Amino acid sequence: GDSVTQMEGPVTLSEEAFLTINCTYTATGYPSLFWYVQYPGEGLQLLLKATKADDKGSNKGFEATYRKETTSFHLEKGSVQVSDSAVYFCALSAGGSYIPTFGRGTSLIVHP
Amino acid sequence: NAGVTQTPKFQVLKTGQSMTLQCAQDMNHNSMYWYRQDPGMGLRLIYYSASEGTTDKGEVPNGYNVSRLNKREFSLRLESAAPSQTSVYFCASMGVGQPQHFGDGTRLSIL
Repeated sequence: GDSVTQMEGPVTLSEEAFLTINCTYTATGYPSLFWYVQYPGEGLQLLLKATKADDKGSNKGFEATYRKETTSFHLEKGSVQVSDSAVYFCALSAGGSYIPTFGRGTSLIVHP
Repeated sequence: NAGVTQTPKFQVLKTGQSMTLQCAQDMNHNSMYWYRQDPGMGLRLIYYSASEGTTDKGEVPNGYNVSRLNKREFSLRLESAAPSQTSVYFCASMGVGQPQHFGDGTRLSIL
């Protein structure tokens, strides 16, 4: 079946550091890929998405590129802020399926 | 722009009590979902409804029931609450070919 693997956290960074959170997937066909963010006490919100190979999703300074050859969708940000502290979930949605597949989430802690 | 609304936001129950968690969406989405989130476990799907009139079990359905009341509303019922059901519960909805939209969660403690 489909699966998503993301790096375990917590990831702890200083403000203005470069962020990478790794995400790899297995799926049949050509899934759509997503990053969601969950701030403390809130539900998940869509951060960015990509629907086909080589697409780059971007939002709020975050970027991720759909890499079919490496089955990856790594999340990056050039300079993190304290307000980026949250849990980040990588997910996929395979065509024809009603059920998205989520990774376990990666906690990011950014110190001033 | 309410999106997905869950009630209540917090609840404390005693073992054996019953309760219903409510969820409503205003985006005209066909599919709706109930998840639970526990520390270190990520999101686990309890039940989902692909469209109005249908419901199906997810990964962890035992101890729960659901009702898709209409296109907007999808409720989750605990008939006899157990401490193992202490968790944060999220409702989500999804349109065709779209990402999921989540509510803010219900924090449920069972003593």
